[in-house]
Amino acid sequence: GENVEQHPSTLSVQEGDSAVIKCTYSDSASNYFPWYKQELGKRPQLIIDIRSNVGEKKDQRIAVTLNKTAKHFSLHITETQPEDSAVYFCAASIGTGRRALTFGSGTRLQVQP
Amino acid sequence: DTAVSQTPKYLVTQMGNDKSIKCEQNLGHDTMYWYKQDSKKFLKIMFSYNNKELIINETVPNRFSPKSPDKAHLNLHINSLELGDSAVYFCASSQEGQAQHFGDGTRLSIL
Repeated sequence: GENVEQHPSTLSVQEGDSAVIKCTYSDSASNYFPWYKQELGKRPQLIIDIRSNVGEKKDQRIAVTLNKTAKHFSLHITETQPEDSAVYFCAASIGTGRRALTFGSGTRLQVQP
Repeated sequence: DTAVSQTPKYLVTQMGNDKSIKCEQNLGHDTMYWYKQDSKKFLKIMFSYNNKELIINETVPNRFSPKSPDKAHLNLHINSLELGDSAVYFCASSQEGQAQHFGDGTRLSIL
């Protein structure tokens, strides 16, 4: 089955700096890659996703890049703010509908004011 | 309006008991899921139902039994609870071609 590895496990940045979180996946058939943000005691919330027919996607301060050949995808957060502090999960699945997500192990991002 | 709602939010019970968690979604999605998040925050799929039919059943002890009375509801019954069952259980739903939406989770604590 699919295996998703995520690095780093913790990341501390100064407010205003950029943060990058990287994931690799094992199943070349995976074609959908969402990123979720989970604040303490809350549910995972989708922040951005990318499909395999696209190499990059941006939404304001957040961007995701995908390298299908290397089976890598990354989350980039620019101009970080204290409210960006949370655990971020990458995930992969084959298709976006009925297939379950295989999650990475999570990255705890701490933005220091 | 809560899109994916789970009850109860907290569940504290003793080892050996049987308990149920309920999930309802009002998004009109045809697929629902149960995920388990352990104390190290790993999120892992347990079950998936599409239009009331079980389509994913990961390696989960048979003490866990999902039931979907209709496509808007997916319940999880757990028999003979063990200490290792302590976790947060998340329900999620999705429609073909769209992202999964999660409920707020049920924190299960076994004494």
